[in-house]
Amino acid sequence: GAVVSQHPSRVICKSGTSVKIECRSLDFQATTMFWYRQFPKQSLMLMATSNEGSKATYEQGVEKDKFLINHASLTLSTLTVTSAHPEDSSFYICSAPQPVRDGYTFGSGTRLTVV
Amino acid sequence: KQEVTQIPAALSVPEGENLVLNCSFTDSAIYNLQWFRQDPGKGLTSLLLIQSSQREQTSGRLNASLDKSSGRSTLYIAASQPGDSATYLCAVASGGSNYKLTFGKGTLLTVNP
Repeated sequence: GAVVSQHPSRVICKSGTSVKIECRSLDFQATTMFWYRQFPKQSLMLMATSNEGSKATYEQGVEKDKFLINHASLTLSTLTVTSAHPEDSSFYICSAPQPVRDGYTFGSGTRLTVV
Repeated sequence: KQEVTQIPAALSVPEGENLVLNCSFTDSAIYNLQWFRQDPGKGLTSLLLIQSSQREQTSGRLNASLDKSSGRSTLYIAASQPGDSATYLCAVASGGSNYKLTFGKGTLLTVNP
């Protein structure tokens, strides 16, 4: 089936540094990638939608200059958390629409801890 | 704005018991509804997807129902096993052709041996 590979699975960084998270569709082309954030015991919240070859669409309240999204190819989308702060510590997960049938396939998530 | 609520927030049952997880949503104009499983610190595994025109879907010991008019879905797990222990998430797809998923907070299920 369709697989989305997400890396890294876990990252610890210092405040003020930037962190890049990658999501690759391994056996299909993902023209759209959704990026979510999940705080402990909370719902997954959609942050932004990336589309190959065009600008990402950000949800209300999400800073586009802080969370840079790039969809460079049909198989790769990246989320860069710039100038990270402890409050950015969260679980980030990507998702792409399945190529053949309805539904979504999710990456394995990235646990970001900013110290 | 679509809102999704899952009840209960946590559930602990002995092995072998049948159980029901509940999901409700505020806007009945949905495209589909999905149930996912999430293990601690992991991504999501899709369990069942119900199209807006369908009433239920079954996969093995899992059965999900959808009552779109009342804004409710249930996930029925038969003969629960310790390996079923996880957080179960309900997500509703709505918003037209570029539909988005709105998630509930999940039900944390613990099946005790």
